[in-house]
Amino acid sequence: AQKITQTQPGMFVQEKEAVTLDCTYDTSDQSYGLFWYKQPSSGEMIFLIYQGSYDEQNATEGRYSLNFQKARKSANLVISASQLGDSAMYFCAMRDLGSWGKLQFGAGTQVVVTP
Amino acid sequence: EAGVAQSPRYKIIEKRQSVAFWCNPISGHATLYWYQQILGQGPKLLIQFQNNGVVDDSQLPKDRFSAERLKGVDSTLKIQPAKLEDSAVYLCASSLVGAGVSYEQYFGPGTRLTVT
Repeated sequence: AQKITQTQPGMFVQEKEAVTLDCTYDTSDQSYGLFWYKQPSSGEMIFLIYQGSYDEQNATEGRYSLNFQKARKSANLVISASQLGDSAMYFCAMRDLGSWGKLQFGAGTQVVVTP
Repeated sequence: EAGVAQSPRYKIIEKRQSVAFWCNPISGHATLYWYQQILGQGPKLLIQFQNNGVVDDSQLPKDRFSAERLKGVDSTLKIQPAKLEDSAVYLCASSLVGAGVSYEQYFGPGTRLTVT
């Protein structure tokens, strides 16, 4: 069963604007972790940000923040002040206790930052 | 600190041929993962090793795919014989531990396989 849903296949955003990437998830575990990765055209997966299910505060890492709404099972990524180098695929992923450590990824959202 | 290394970066083969990919994880990382990423999709786990033992290979097509982790360090993923649908990027990742939910996985640059 699909556990991670990213409904936006692609987005355009202007430089210096903020962009929100949607992610919803499904799990019956109480303990789980949510991750966002960036994949530029070079192919490597780059870790951006992590949110634990018991964390009360939304995670932030520089220009990245995670809007975690546990009751809605959503974990949206917000990129502030977009830069041309932010153009890439963005993947939401989840690990729960029942998955033996593996990350389950969504289908991704392609972000293109325009000047 | 050196990252996860993979080779080759690109490989083109004909269907029914064999191919092997190599991965060297970050030093000291006990857990190693192989993911398959088909174009337009997110990565899917093929196999997970804890040291040199297999933890999860439930999505590995065992009739054609095999993997081993030598002495709990390097790993090799093999496809024999390859099919057209095996065209994908094969990503190797490693992590310090394999239990819990919060630890980060570090990914290599991937091997892009094209089967013609």
